[in-house]
Amino acid sequence: QSILTQPPSASGTPGQRVIISCSGSYNIGSNTVSWYRQLPGTAPELLIYRNNQRPSGVPDRFSGSKSGTSASLAISGLQSEDEADYYCAAWSDSLNGHWVFGGGTKLTVL
Amino acid sequence: EQLEQSGAEVKKPGESVTISCRASGYSFSSYWINWVRQMPGRGLEWVGRIDPGDSYTQYSPSFQGHVTISVDKSTTTAYLQWSSLKASDTAMFYCARRVGSRRYWYFDLWGRGTLVIVSS
Repeated sequence: QSILTQPPSASGTPGQRVIISCSGSYNIGSNTVSWYRQLPGTAPELLIYRNNQRPSGVPDRFSGSKSGTSASLAISGLQSEDEADYYCAAWSDSLNGHWVFGGGTKLTVL
Repeated sequence: EQLEQSGAEVKKPGESVTISCRASGYSFSSYWINWVRQMPGRGLEWVGRIDPGDSYTQYSPSFQGHVTISVDKSTTTAYLQWSSLKASDTAMFYCARRVGSRRYWYFDLWGRGTLVIVSS
């Protein structure tokens, strides 16, 4: 089964730039990565799609990139309300196809 | 556009349960509905998906045979059901709409979640 690996935690102070990585196994490489933010006690919400596209309403402080089988989410100008869990996700073509989520990264704003 | 999920369920091991996800505000048959599990304090896991247009389903190997996903187009509702619950099924379950084209898929709309608690 395919795997997406994220660091379990990340932190930064207000105003800083934080990068969250997402490393995938080879058979995710041809599919795009999306990112989801989950605020405490709420459902996940779309943050980045197609590796680097932002839905309307998501500030440009959030940016995504992908190279090969690794992706990253960058958050600049960190704010206290950015404290949340962040998940990457991608479709995998193996095993007749299945979605894979990263394990999640808990972002703490110090 | 909205995905409205049914309320929390408290069940005993061995019992059955069906939770629902009602879509509104868009063409229901045009987008797959996916189910995602989140166990207490844990991350997101894909359970499976259904194409409301033809009811074709796919399941994660981890859930195949333990849950059933179905849909009722007349009420634009997707369902996730268990015939025999285990304590380890205790979790929050989210439905999510998948959009995009092949290799560019993503989940753009999520329900608020349904909590399933299985306890003797």
